[in-house]
Amino acid sequence: NAGVTQTPKFQVLKTGQSMTLQCAQDMNHEYMSWYRQDPGMGLRLIHYSVGAGITDQGEVPNGYNVSRSTTEDFPLRLLSAAPSQTSVYFCASSYVRGGTEAFFGQGTRLTVV
Amino acid sequence: AQKITQTQPGMFVQEKEAVTLDCTYDTSDPSYGLFWYKQPSSGEMIFLIYQGSYDQQNATEGRYSLNFQKARKSANLVISASQLGDSAMYFCAMKTSYDKVIFGPGTSLSVIP
Repeated sequence: NAGVTQTPKFQVLKTGQSMTLQCAQDMNHEYMSWYRQDPGMGLRLIHYSVGAGITDQGEVPNGYNVSRSTTEDFPLRLLSAAPSQTSVYFCASSYVRGGTEAFFGQGTRLTVV
Repeated sequence: AQKITQTQPGMFVQEKEAVTLDCTYDTSDPSYGLFWYKQPSSGEMIFLIYQGSYDQQNATEGRYSLNFQKARKSANLVISASQLGDSAMYFCAMKTSYDKVIFGPGTSLSVIP
């Protein structure tokens, strides 16, 4: 099993550009989520989904869009990149019910110049 | 509102000694789960231990144990017999029923030889 696959691992964008961070999991997890990690702030939840067709906002959703058309994929779109979106992004998935932990992708280091 | 607090930005511990990392949480949901993750300098997120709100006993996983005090809303991680490889960031996280998973700001642990 591949687990959670995140692409790309590194990306440099110019201010105003758009891009999509890809996240795919092969564990049939209902729950998928995106976090950003900034120094001293831990992981902050951007958007999450509890199943195909269902998404909701987390703590810091502004500037990001998501969709969940399949159980496996949960892409994160930056519509118009800003320097404040420079961060490390993690995708995670898990089962919704029960005490199962979230499995994380390896992260995407995004720099907006 | 749900919130995770980790009040220790940095901790030091002597090799082979035990250390406690603090975590307090806030939720009105009667059913929730608490997690601890380790993030070494390489950046990946490693699941350590889980405690359910209805679990009668404190969770243990090898050298890791979770000191769960429900009335005080605390879920402290205890690492026994610290090793140099335990030097990392440690994050406390909480999941509520069919809801998002949120993280605390983290504690940086340094193990001194």
